[in-house]
Amino acid sequence: AQSVTQLGSHVSVSEGALVLLRCNYSSSVPPYLFWYVQYPNQGLQLLLKYTTGATLVKGINGFEAEFKKSETSFHLTKPSAHMSDAAEYFCAVSADVTGRRALTFGSGTRLQVQP
Amino acid sequence: DAGVIQSPRHEVTEMGQEVTLRCKPISGHDYLFWYRQTMMRGLELLIYFNNNVPIDDSGMPEDRFSAKMPNASFSTLKIQPSEPRDSAVYFCASRLEQGPDTQYFGPGTRLTVL
Repeated sequence: AQSVTQLGSHVSVSEGALVLLRCNYSSSVPPYLFWYVQYPNQGLQLLLKYTTGATLVKGINGFEAEFKKSETSFHLTKPSAHMSDAAEYFCAVSADVTGRRALTFGSGTRLQVQP
Repeated sequence: DAGVIQSPRHEVTEMGQEVTLRCKPISGHDYLFWYRQTMMRGLELLIYFNNNVPIDDSGMPEDRFSAKMPNASFSTLKIQPSEPRDSAVYFCASRLEQGPDTQYFGPGTRLTVL
């Protein structure tokens, strides 16, 4: 089975500060990892994904994430927060162990950006 | 492409009524997923289809819930009878067979059962 743990259901940062959202996963096979963002009253939008190859992945809106196999982590970062980054962020894992081709999502982290 | 389309965007109904949610996946996508999102339980996978065939419905809460995919461009999620605890946002997502499992989500249907 696969699972995702997002540390911190709420994170608050000041505008211009570093954003760090934490994600740890569990998987018995090499996983694919994803970060999605959800703005109020909208669906989920893909921010970035890791499949194979380079472990530092860059996404939209200046976000990036690094896959660390030894730490089973896939933390999301952005050097400088913007007010428009306020949203809920979901980490997800896909590991085709039993033929199940579905994502398992974490519980989400709500990011607040203070002016 | 128009993306994943869901209708209605909002639905308010009374307990005991039948509710039907609709989804049109992105053209050419082979997989379709139904999720439910609540404050208490987060984002839950209800069921998914591959080439119109239900593959895993283990997340469907109970027999009151049913889902169909009569063709590659349309799916429904039906709740009969509805209960207040079914109030949630229901998302549909689709993806291609090939590739790294990237799912594309619709805008969701906000269901309120009074």
